Amino acid sequence: GAGVSQTPSNKVTEKGKYVELRCDPISGHTALYWYRQSLGQGPEFLIYFQGTGAADDSGLPNDRFFAVRPEGSVSTLKIQRTERGDSAVYLCASSAQLAGGIDTQYFGPGTRLTVL
Amino acid sequence: AQSVTQLGSHVSVSEGALVLLRCNYSSSVPPYLFWYVQYPNQGLQLLLKYTSAATLVKGINGFEAEFKKSETSFHLTKPSAHMSDAAEYFCAVSRSNTGNQFYFGTGTSLTVIP
Repeated sequence: GAGVSQTPSNKVTEKGKYVELRCDPISGHTALYWYRQSLGQGPEFLIYFQGTGAADDSGLPNDRFFAVRPEGSVSTLKIQRTERGDSAVYLCASSAQLAGGIDTQYFGPGTRLTVL
Repeated sequence: AQSVTQLGSHVSVSEGALVLLRCNYSSSVPPYLFWYVQYPNQGLQLLLKYTSAATLVKGINGFEAEFKKSETSFHLTKPSAHMSDAAEYFCAVSRSNTGNQFYFGTGTSLTVIP
């Protein structure tokens, strides 16, 4: 079956520009996660959705970062006024999250964002 | 707070030798622990997970890990390394009472020498 997909695979932008990164989770997965992976580091949690709502956005670094999941499926991570320090691989994961439990997260291939 | 520490950012083994990748966790409650593998230019793939059932967990590709509460460890092993095992390996911890996000270690790059 189809896994988690992310588009675009690569995004190059200029400092100060606005970007949107898209994630298509595995069909039927209610939980969706965004992580950021900088060079030589492990993925760092950004935000977690359960259904349409953001259950935990404590990992968003500042108010330039925002994410939505309006219909409980596809999610978009939005970054305003990009900075060079935002350059990283942005990973999306989904899981068939049941209340009170921990389920395996399935990761997409990531979007490599480069801010010039 | 909870976290994982992966000792050794780079590990090299000969083909056919034992693979041992170390992971220690910090958690005030029983954790859920995972190992993921990341091949070049690919996404993270689950190798195995510990969710408070058996302490010795078997995963894909011949890997296994043992949860040792007394040592707060969850080391990943494989008896005989293959060239195809060369990749980046990440240990992660989560717990249900703080939400479901994973906390990852910084990763260990495994090189297999022919």
